[in-house]
Amino acid sequence: KQEVTQIPAALSVPEGENLVLNCSFTDSAIYNLQWFRQDPGKGLTSLLLIQSSQREQTSGRLNASLDKSSGRSTLYIAASQPGDSATYLCAVSVVQGAQKLVFGQGTRLTINP
Amino acid sequence: DTGVSQDPRHKITKRGQNVTFRCDPISEHNRLYWYRQTLGQGPEFLTYFQNEAQLEKSRLLSDRFSAERPKGSFSTLEIQRTEQGDSAMYLCASSAAAGYPREKLFFGSGTQLSVL
Repeated sequence: KQEVTQIPAALSVPEGENLVLNCSFTDSAIYNLQWFRQDPGKGLTSLLLIQSSQREQTSGRLNASLDKSSGRSTLYIAASQPGDSATYLCAVSVVQGAQKLVFGQGTRLTINP
Repeated sequence: DTGVSQDPRHKITKRGQNVTFRCDPISEHNRLYWYRQTLGQGPEFLTYFQNEAQLEKSRLLSDRFSAERPKGSFSTLEIQRTEQGDSAMYLCASSAAAGYPREKLFFGSGTQLSVL
């Protein structure tokens, strides 16, 4: 059974710092890995999707890496801003042909002005 | 706004009552997913449709749960004889199946269910 773990559970940093969120998964047989953002009481917003054959994806100040063999992914956020405060969720796709995702518990990020 | 729409946003019910949620996906999307999220946890997969066909159901979806997507448009999720353990945020997502594994999910804001 695939399990996804995110560390740390919560993180608080001052504005402007670069930071890294970690995600690990137990079974390397994944089809893709995604990072989502969730604001309180809201749905999820897809940030980055890395296919299993890829090593990383970048979007603006965000960079996500994937190391399938070690079962790890990182989300790097550069020059953090208060608007980045949210919960960040990592998820892996475990079924070929559909986004049946297994999620981690998330990292609650707070950026202090 | 042409995003994924869920109704109602909040539902409070008494144990034993039936409830129904609705999801309207992005119009051109042929896939629709239901997930459930409890406080402090990541979402858990419940079921998904491609057009009107329900292709997979999680073991989390007991026989008290039923989902439909008539005509491949909106979807409903019904819970019969609700239990306190059903209290959660029910999230709907849609996507265009073409291009998997690059398929990107678009989530609605969810329906928060509280069973008293």
